[in-house]
Amino acid sequence: AQSVTQLDSQVPVFEEAPVELRCNYSSSVSVYLFWYVQYPNQGLQLLLKYLSGSTLVKGINGFEAEFNKSQTSFHLRKPSVHISDTAEYFCAVSDPSNFGNEKLTFGTGTRLTIIP
Amino acid sequence: GAVVSQHPSRVICKSGTSVKIECRSLDFQATTMFWYRQFPKQSLMLMATSNEGSKATYEQGVEKDKFLINHASLTLSTLTVTSAHPEDSSFYICSARDRGAGNQPQHFGDGTRLSIL
Repeated sequence: AQSVTQLDSQVPVFEEAPVELRCNYSSSVSVYLFWYVQYPNQGLQLLLKYLSGSTLVKGINGFEAEFNKSQTSFHLRKPSVHISDTAEYFCAVSDPSNFGNEKLTFGTGTRLTIIP
Repeated sequence: GAVVSQHPSRVICKSGTSVKIECRSLDFQATTMFWYRQFPKQSLMLMATSNEGSKATYEQGVEKDKFLINHASLTLSTLTVTSAHPEDSSFYICSARDRGAGNQPQHFGDGTRLSIL
């Protein structure tokens, strides 16, 4: 079984400061990893994904994440945040061997609040 | 980009009413769609996997007679909450995979806020 841990439920950050949102996963098989953002009363928008290849993944809105297999982590980073980045961020994992019907397992989410 | 449309966005109804939520893939075909439930300030919990032309696969603990899923075409899946009660109030989100897009991730709808009075 797979699981995802997001250790920080809330992260307040001053505007233009850097941020890192932590994500650790547990899986006995190889994984696909994702970060999604959710704005209030909306669905999820994909920020970035790791499927294979380079461990440093760049996404939309200036976000990036690094896959670290030895530490089973996939932390999300942004060098300078904006007010508009205030949202809920979810890390998710799926099993690539279940191709075509893969389920996403989500972490509990991190609420990022940008302080003006 | 791939768009998933979910309708309605908000429903308020009386206890005992059945409510249908639609999930449509607007510009791609989806053999598989997923239905999630999200309680306030919590993560998404997968309820069921909807497969076009066959029965849905429900996660453990989800009542299939309570949450009826129909996936009659490659672009439409529906979730019907039968005889809804206040404890069914929640945010329901669907997602879909583009069957022609290899290992690309799921695309999510904007969710349906269901409130049962």
